[in-house]
Amino acid sequence: NAGVMQNPRHLVRRRGQEARLRCSPMKGHSHVYWYRQLPEEGLKFMVYLQKENIIDESGMPKERFSAEFPKEGPSILRIQQVVRGDSAAYFCASSDGASAYEQYFGPGTRLTVT
Amino acid sequence: QKEVEQNSGPLSVPEGAIASLNCTYSDRGSQSFFWYRQYSGKSPELIMSIYSNGDKEDGRFTAQLNKASQYVSLLIRDSQPSDSATYLCAVNGKIIFGKGTRLHILP
Repeated sequence: NAGVMQNPRHLVRRRGQEARLRCSPMKGHSHVYWYRQLPEEGLKFMVYLQKENIIDESGMPKERFSAEFPKEGPSILRIQQVVRGDSAAYFCASSDGASAYEQYFGPGTRLTVT
Repeated sequence: QKEVEQNSGPLSVPEGAIASLNCTYSDRGSQSFFWYRQYSGKSPELIMSIYSNGDKEDGRFTAQLNKASQYVSLLIRDSQPSDSATYLCAVNGKIIFGKGTRLHILP
């Protein structure tokens, strides 16, 4: 399967814990995007990365959230000290060029904060 | 003004009819436009992309772009119950998504 992979698919964390979400882009893609979707809401852009670089993080909260896309391995979205409001579906998408190119989505990680 | 706007619906269309979904955007410099379909509990799936004015057809789907009026639409011909989903319009840059239109095909 050469599609975008995300894991875990479901993640439960208690308030104050850390959440790590992983995304492996489609084969041949070097651009990764993270989105958050709250129940009954649209997709909200969070961050756009290329290998080893954050290109645009304007949609990501300044505190507790960070993202990386190392030279080797998957992209990681990290949420520290989670709160109930972080409960959402987090989707990763990848493309083979700049953001004007078509993006393909992974299955998402459903984060529940108890 | 919201950057990408869609009617949230639900839009109910009889099976076999044409479903028409509309989207307006605010950034006149936008160059790339996408339609995604999202079934409940699933991830968005790219169904159409369009970059120049006019119509683009792919099977039962036709995307229409009018940059002067800043709108993009999606037509679904011969609507099937399996087309019932939320359709997201997206515009390039950071890929700004509209909130989506819920389409319900009535059997």
